[in-house]
Amino acid sequence: DIQMTQSPSSLSASVGDRVTITCRASQSINSYLNWYHQKPGKAPKLLIYGASSLQSGVPSRFSGSGSGTDFTLTISSLQPEDFATYYCQQSYSTPWTFGQGTKVEIK
Amino acid sequence: EVQLVESGGGLVQPGGSLRLSCAASGFTFSSYWMHWVRQAPGKGLVWVSRINSDGSYTTYADSVKGRFTISRDNAKNMVYLQMNSLRAEDTAVYYCARWGWSSAWYYFDYWGQGTLVTVSS
Repeated sequence: DIQMTQSPSSLSASVGDRVTITCRASQSINSYLNWYHQKPGKAPKLLIYGASSLQSGVPSRFSGSGSGTDFTLTISSLQPEDFATYYCQQSYSTPWTFGQGTKVEIK
Repeated sequence: EVQLVESGGGLVQPGGSLRLSCAASGFTFSSYWMHWVRQAPGKGLVWVSRINSDGSYTTYADSVKGRFTISRDNAKNMVYLQMNSLRAEDTAVYYCARWGWSSAWYYFDYWGQGTLVTVSS
């Protein structure tokens, strides 16, 4: 199975901050990497697919980059509605696996 | 509007069975693979199972293989997860998710609200 490791596990940031979350795969996954965020008690929501493609309807302050084993999700200017837990997920091979999550909290 | 609505969760004793259902609407259900993903309380997301668009092909996580069965009814726009021999570690919110695609990329593009399964005596 491909292991996905996110860092940091949590972070505190203020509205307007630039936030970066990293995700590392245990083997190369090309660009088969998706990002989701999840608010408490809610279902996950797709943000980025194919490592860098923005899902329809997702604000342009979200961006993704990387290929191979190392990936990054960036929020250019954190908004109040962005406080949530973020997950990466590989779609290279089954079983599909997720990172452990990065909780973005209000400073 | 795409909607996925899960049902069937509840409290069950270890060794018991439960059948989850997911009602889909707002899209051509028979064109999409469907998945179940679970999340234990306070934990991360774990993929459980998938089924192809016509129901002829299924895959399972090792942790549920031989105990869980995924199925679908395209006439009713429903996907199911039959869970047998349940264990305490199966306690989780179970999400139904659609497998979307764009060009070469695949992803979970719509999720249901989840249904809670609690395995406890």
